[in-house]
Amino acid sequence: AQSVTQLDSHVSVSEGTPVLLRCNYSSSYSPSLFWYVQHPNKGLQLLLKYTSAATLVKGINGFEAEFKKSETSFHLTKPSAHMSDAAEYFCVVSDMFSGGYNKLIFGAGTRLAVHP
Amino acid sequence: SQTIHQWPATLVQPVGSPLSLECTVEGTSNPNLYWYRQAAGRGLQLLFYSVGIGQISSEVPQNLSASRPQDRQFILSSKKLLLSDSGFYLCAWSVRGIGELFFGEGSRLTVL
Repeated sequence: AQSVTQLDSHVSVSEGTPVLLRCNYSSSYSPSLFWYVQHPNKGLQLLLKYTSAATLVKGINGFEAEFKKSETSFHLTKPSAHMSDAAEYFCVVSDMFSGGYNKLIFGAGTRLAVHP
Repeated sequence: SQTIHQWPATLVQPVGSPLSLECTVEGTSNPNLYWYRQAAGRGLQLLFYSVGIGQISSEVPQNLSASRPQDRQFILSSKKLLLSDSGFYLCAWSVRGIGELFFGEGSRLTVL
């Protein structure tokens, strides 16, 4: 069965410094992987997705993630944090196509705090 | 472009009262539709999904039900709310069978 582990529940950075949010996955086949962001009391917004094309995926707002099969990782990075990046981030793996619906497995989330 | 609308945004209800949350999608046909719940300090839990009109699948036993009366309309209901039903409810849609989910803005339910 597929699973995803977000290695940090909280990450705190200063504005202008790099962001690294770590995610490891478990999958018996080549997975689809996603990162979502959720601001307080808002829905989830897709940041980026990996679907077996280029291993370095660029997303919105300057975020990117690298798929590393040998390490079963899909870490999210950004070169320079902005105050507006403060939010909760979810790493997500897509389970096998089953029953006609997209079964997504969500990580527990990483709360990113950005300090001035 | 596709959009998803979810309402009400905030709801405070007494224990034992009914519930109806509604979600509609525009700009696409035959979507898969989903209801998730996000309880405080917990991750996202898939409650229901639907692959077509009148077709509802439940992931977990609970006090809630869902219906899909039209292709792009998804309703979450309860006849009698429990305290444990409090949480943030998210509706989502996807293209049939593949890819990412697109989420609504959520509905915050507080049961007192």
